[in-house]
Amino acid sequence: EIVLTQSPGTLSLSPGERATLSCRASQGVTSRYLAWYQQKPGQAPRLLIYGASSRATGIPDRFSGSGSGTDFTLTITSLEPEDFAVYYCQQYASPPPWTFGQGTKVEFK
Amino acid sequence: EVQLVESGGGLLQPGESLRLSCAASGFSFSRYAMNWVRQAPGKGLEWVSGLNGLGGSRYYADSVRGRFTISRDNSKNTLFLQMNGLTVEDTAVYYCAKGDDYDASPSDHWGQGTLVTVSS
Repeated sequence: EIVLTQSPGTLSLSPGERATLSCRASQGVTSRYLAWYQQKPGQAPRLLIYGASSRATGIPDRFSGSGSGTDFTLTITSLEPEDFAVYYCQQYASPPPWTFGQGTKVEFK
Repeated sequence: EVQLVESGGGLLQPGESLRLSCAASGFSFSRYAMNWVRQAPGKGLEWVSGLNGLGGSRYYADSVRGRFTISRDNSKNTLFLQMNGLTVEDTAVYYCAKGDDYDASPSDHWGQGTLVTVSS
């Protein structure tokens, strides 16, 4: 089973600042099968990034993903008020289980 | 528009069984993998189970293997999760999520979830 470790646990930032979120895998993630999701309180998760760096439909270009192997990053270049949420990475490389990281909360400073 | 609507959640006692359903619309259901993902109160996301478009390949997390069974009825565009031997650790919101491909893939659409509470 691939274990994903996200850091930091909480990121305290102000609107307009840059957010850098990390996701580290316990072993290499094949073919960059790594996704990022955003979840706001009381809502279902929303897919942001798939294939480590491809933005999902309708996702603003201030969100970007990078990385390969065991180290992946989600960057939000300039935080908007609606970006304050919890972010999860997930690997979907075969074989399952397709594990999630424990999440990073981006909160108002 | 893709829509996923879960149903079947409720309050149960340890050891009981429950079947969740997810009614899908707005896409060619049999062409896409489907998953169940759960979230315990105040906790993170946990992938539970998934299956490919025709249901021939089924996958489970270790925490539910042997107790939960995932299935789909492509004629009715519906996904199911049969949960047996429930424990308090199974208490969570259960989300139905559509894959963006036939098999292993990220979940590009999610339902709003159904709450399962297991308590004595």
